[in-house]
Amino acid sequence: KNEVEQSPQNLTAQEGEFITINCSYSVGISALHWLQQHPGGGIVSLFMLSSGKKKHGRLIATINIQEKHSSLHITASHPRDSAVYICAVRYNTDKLIFGTGTRLQVFP
Amino acid sequence: DVKVTQSSRYLVKRTGEKVFLECVQDMDHENMFWYRQDPGLGLRLIYFSYDVKMKEKGDIPEGYSVSREKKERFSLILESASTNQTSMYLCASSTGTFYNEQFFGPGTRLTVL
Repeated sequence: KNEVEQSPQNLTAQEGEFITINCSYSVGISALHWLQQHPGGGIVSLFMLSSGKKKHGRLIATINIQEKHSSLHITASHPRDSAVYICAVRYNTDKLIFGTGTRLQVFP
Repeated sequence: DVKVTQSSRYLVKRTGEKVFLECVQDMDHENMFWYRQDPGLGLRLIYFSYDVKMKEKGDIPEGYSVSREKKERFSLILESASTNQTSMYLCASSTGTFYNEQFFGPGTRLTVL
């Protein structure tokens, strides 16, 4: 069983919709990362957070430490947001534990 | 911008061959990582290195070895490739503190026939 669970595994949306991707983990962490992987493989770091909320453009990431849960929101989704979104958690080391990803497709 | 490059995007090898995957980063990062990514399993850590000539096993080191002779370069070696090592291989680097992000290379899709 993966220590980091993401939901949903697959998500389709119409352009303009508000999107939420969820991530749950099992034990206390020092930080949580949201990553984006486009077709072709390259991975880009979107957020790193240990508490509260962060916003960058149309992307918002939140984390609830007590509930061991994080969400990634995309407002006004666009086809270029289509990608795999990966949650990863860090314990008190440099190692990351990754979720299996959420595949998002946004249609025009 | 941090740049992490990998020697090949696509590689096809035969069972039993020795395979070298090279990763180079240009930001003087202390830490470097090798992952493999398989459908339904997410990224799994093979090896990582926190300094030149230092290495640590990750979660799935069997069948792999690594080399870090220079700070900017981290090589993954498959001593005798097998079909179950067909995968996407991703290299990453980060600075030496716990709380910094990892920067990823573009990945190498390796097929072992």
